[in-house]
Amino acid sequence: GQNIDQPTEMTATEGAIVQINCTYQTSGFNGLFWYQQHAGEAPTFLSYNVLDGLEEKGRFSSFLSRSKGYSYLLLKELQMKDSASYLCAVRDHGDYKLSFGAGTTVTVRA
Amino acid sequence: ETGVTQTPRHLVMGMTNKKSLKCEQHLGHNAMYWYKQSAKKPLELMFVYSLEERVENNSVPSRFSPECPNSSHLFLHLHTLQPEDSALYLCASSQEGAGGALTDTQYFGPGTRLTVL
Repeated sequence: GQNIDQPTEMTATEGAIVQINCTYQTSGFNGLFWYQQHAGEAPTFLSYNVLDGLEEKGRFSSFLSRSKGYSYLLLKELQMKDSASYLCAVRDHGDYKLSFGAGTTVTVRA
Repeated sequence: ETGVTQTPRHLVMGMTNKKSLKCEQHLGHNAMYWYKQSAKKPLELMFVYSLEERVENNSVPSRFSPECPNSSHLFLHLHTLQPEDSALYLCASSQEGAGGALTDTQYFGPGTRLTVL
């Protein structure tokens, strides 16, 4: 299985930038996902990385380094609606299952 | 709206009750999943159905019984639960890729908040 670590909580100011780190250990790697989950709602897909480098989608970017077992999710120009839990999930090679981290709760303050 | 719906959204039940959770996906996917989400813990995969056959059962107690009558519907039947089973139960779906590997993104429903008294 995987061992997936991410910080429990982060706080930032509206308009600022926050970087959520995720480290993982896996015997084989077949992709890393980031999901956003607002309280009481479904986790929603944000990004997918399978090759090293940066994937940018508007205000959100995700980075992957397979050799370091490391990813980050970068949230720019923070808005109040970005207050949510952010889940890192890793898929093993030849497998369909996702292993999730415990999630990082981001609180955006005015 | 992710295309995956779950009912009920909230459920309170006693330890001797029998209830069922329902999930429906409108995305044309062929794989469906049940997850358990407890506070401050990672999502735990419970069951996976691919092409309506159960392909994963992660050592889940028999008081949880899944059913997948077709590729769009998934049920979780609950019987004689314990207070520690109180959690958010999430359903997800994805499209199984060629060759039988489930390679696509999983899309989640809003979950059922279950409280066992």
